[in-house]
Amino acid sequence: DQQVKQNSPSLSVQEGRISILNCDYTNSMFDYFLWYKKYPAEGPTFLISISSIKDKNEDGRFTVFLNKSAKHLSLHIVPSQPGDSAVYFCAASDRGRDDKIIFGKGTRLHILP
Amino acid sequence: EPEVTQTPSHQVTQMGQEVILRCVPISNHLYFYWYRQILGQKVEFLVSFYNNEISEKSEIFDDQFSVERPDGSNFTLKIRSTKLEDSAMYFCASRLGGGSIGEKLFFGSGTQLSVL
Repeated sequence: DQQVKQNSPSLSVQEGRISILNCDYTNSMFDYFLWYKKYPAEGPTFLISISSIKDKNEDGRFTVFLNKSAKHLSLHIVPSQPGDSAVYFCAASDRGRDDKIIFGKGTRLHILP
Repeated sequence: EPEVTQTPSHQVTQMGQEVILRCVPISNHLYFYWYRQILGQKVEFLVSFYNNEISEKSEIFDDQFSVERPDGSNFTLKIRSTKLEDSAMYFCASRLGGGSIGEKLFFGSGTQLSVL
């Protein structure tokens, strides 16, 4: 039962270009979406989030876009830097229902020199 | 910056043995979580804990699992009789409470549990 799907296990992007990571979800009750970044041997760290009342949230080089009708969100990183190489997890929650965050399987981003 | 601390970083155990994974959440946080990630798979929610009781648990969190906050600083996950399929990286997380839950959810570095 994959409520949050990241269909690309990996992505390679040239340094300086835009990285676009995609995520789809199935539960229409999700009202809060998050992206986490994970380096090897570390726990996930929060990157950026978006509420379902918005369609875009920007924080420096990171922008998250939400398309509720398509149940799709994406994370844009511009410009991509070597330190962005990591696994990115999309996550979602139904804040009105419970306390848990549902994660996708992650996408490994490689930034190429 | 305050952080969530997990010990040990690696735990190897025999099938059928009990294991206790330990976590020290950030000191003023009120909500505590365990997640796990089987190699190559998604990060899965196990349990959330607030006000000294479980507030939510997943189907994975069956009778073999239990959590405890024994002394106001530690938060432990016990697996009573480990199975091979319990092998995973276990992450503890905590948050202060109030506001958007995800923005305040801090993860530890994880304990890699290997069941032989």
